[in-house]
Amino acid sequence: KAGVTQTPRYLIKTRGQQVTLSCSPISGHRSVSWYQQTPGQGLQFLFEYFSETQRNKGNFPGRFSGRQFSNSRSEMNVSTLELGDSALYLCASSLAADRLYEQYFGPGTRLTVT
Amino acid sequence: AQTVTQSQPEMSVQEAETVTLSCTYDTSESNYYLFWYKQPPSRQMILVIRQEAYKQQNATENRFSVNFQKAAKSFSLKISDSQLGDTAMYFCAFRYNAGNNRKLIWGLGTSLAVNP
Repeated sequence: KAGVTQTPRYLIKTRGQQVTLSCSPISGHRSVSWYQQTPGQGLQFLFEYFSETQRNKGNFPGRFSGRQFSNSRSEMNVSTLELGDSALYLCASSLAADRLYEQYFGPGTRLTVT
Repeated sequence: AQTVTQSQPEMSVQEAETVTLSCTYDTSESNYYLFWYKQPPSRQMILVIRQEAYKQQNATENRFSVNFQKAAKSFSLKISDSQLGDTAMYFCAFRYNAGNNRKLIWGLGTSLAVNP
């Protein structure tokens, strides 16, 4: 069974631009969570989607948004990029929203904002 | 607010020896999960072991075991017979087991180097 995939793996953007990251969960998994990882802040929860609905949201500004499609694939969007948005963005999937103890992570998308 | 603290930013161990990584957390709840994740240099985050708070028995997965002290809010990870492939960042994480606030809360990690 294929693992969680994230595209693109690496991305370089300029301050003020917007970016869209994609995550394809493991087949059959319906819950997708997003995390931002930086050296100083560690891993910070962004949001969680289940059956196309946002179930939980972290403490990030409105520039960060996401969505989930009917096939459980998820995208996250960051508008008006800032230098501080440079990070590794991790996606994780699980069978169901109440089974986050079985989260499987993707390899991440490394976003660099210049 | 819930917090997870890993007091050892970096550790090293010789191959085949045993190492213990520390983790403490803060919560007023009684029903939750605790996790140790491993992130090797390739960046793929992998679940190492998990512990349900209601279980008194410490979880074990092959060479990995935990020492769960609920009253002390301590959750340490012991790696026995360390291998070069154990070199990675190790993250301790916490999650409530009920309600809508089920997000994972993470420690800042411990960088473990296994030396030959």
